This record gives sequence, C-alpha cells and structure tokens, in this order.
Amino acid sequence: LAKTTQPISMDSYEGQEVNITCSHNNIATNDYITWYQQFPSQGPRFIIQGYKTKVTNEVASLFIPADRKSSTLSLPRVSLSDTAVYYCLVGDVDSNYQLIWGAGTKLIIKP
Amino acid sequence: DAGITQSPRHKVTETGTPVTLRCHQTENHRYMYWYRQDPGHGLRLIHYSYGVKDTDKGEVSDGYSVSRSKTEDFLLTLESATSSQTSVYFCAISESKGGTAPDTQYFGPGTRLTVL
Repeated sequence: LAKTTQPISMDSYEGQEVNITCSHNNIATNDYITWYQQFPSQGPRFIIQGYKTKVTNEVASLFIPADRKSSTLSLPRVSLSDTAVYYCLVGDVDSNYQLIWGAGTKLIIKP
Repeated sequence: DAGITQSPRHKVTETGTPVTLRCHQTENHRYMYWYRQDPGHGLRLIHYSYGVKDTDKGEVSDGYSVSRSKTEDFLLTLESATSSQTSVYFCAISESKGGTAPDTQYFGPGTRLTVL
C-alpha cells in the first residue's frame, strides 16, 4: 500500500513553474522522500531525494516543511519535454524499506 | 545512462507457456529488481536479488520465479503464463539497498509482454 498521496494529474504551460505536492502523513522520523520521473515507454528515472527543508539539483527542487507530512516537487520553467508521470516515494519499513509505488502524478505541459 | 538491457523488448505468448525475461547490467551493482507496471498503476515489485543466488520475494511474486547465477544477469520466469500477467516488466539495479534513504534505482527500458 503506497505511503504517499499525490494528485492523479496536472496541467501546465511551457515556461511556468510547476509544483507537485505529495502527502505522507505517516512518514517515520528517519524516512527520506524520493521523487522519480517516468516518460512514456521508459523506465522511471531518479530526480531528487530529501529529508527536510530544501534540496535543489540541476533538475528540480524539493521543499519539505518542518512537520514533514508533505513535500513539494518544484520544476522551474517547464518545457513540453517535462510531460511525464512523477512519483513521490517513501521507503516501507515493513518490507525493509522497499519503495512502494503509487500511481504517480501525470503532468501534461501544453504549448 | 546506467548500462541495463532487457530482452526481449516485446513478446506475445499464449496462456500456459513458460516465458523467461532477461535483465543484463554492466554496472556491477549488487541489487537487481523485477517490477511490473499495469495501466494506471505504479510499479509493483515482483522479486529482487541482493547477490548471486540471493533473492527475495516482493509484493506480487505469485506465479513468478527468478534466478541470478551471475552478478550481471537476473532472469524472471513465468512458469505457466496467464492473461493476468500481461504487463510491462521493468528491471532495475542499485548499488545498495539503502534504508531510510533508499539508494537510487536505475531502470531498464522495459519488456512488453502480452499473454493471449
């Protein structure tokens, strides 16, 4: 059972900043939050991982508030090529921290 | 990109026939995984391996078996394929398991299996 909750789909436009929020109300004290991206007909690809506050890399930023019950993936200035499914994941302690994948958020970027 | 190949990339078979999917890596990663992905769903773990001849079940292991006789190869076998096993199968690798901070998994291109 997925430990996270995300919107099923989102639309945005080229050049906009996109924020995808994930809820993980039962996150454990030491759990990290991990995001993957999946393009059509490809396997998922790691985007970013964080524990608290803010993490930034060349692709995205991850914002995690102090209570850690949610997190927000931020994609700056999206392009059509950012159309993909985005997964928010937390390891499942009951299965030795295997990743439990939900349905993800299907992001569609329009011209 | 991580060196992961899957074969075949597409396969159509009939109910009751055995099917073997192969995952090959050139990264010398210890962990290898088999997932299946169905429309509207995320990935579900079938089996994983943490070393040669060391494997364990995932959440949807019934009807599947695996083998890992070499570090670089991880085989997934459907002993007697059923229509419910029609899916896209992904192999993934990682250097370690990680723990509360799961290690990055690198995915292969997938195998589309259709069981008629």
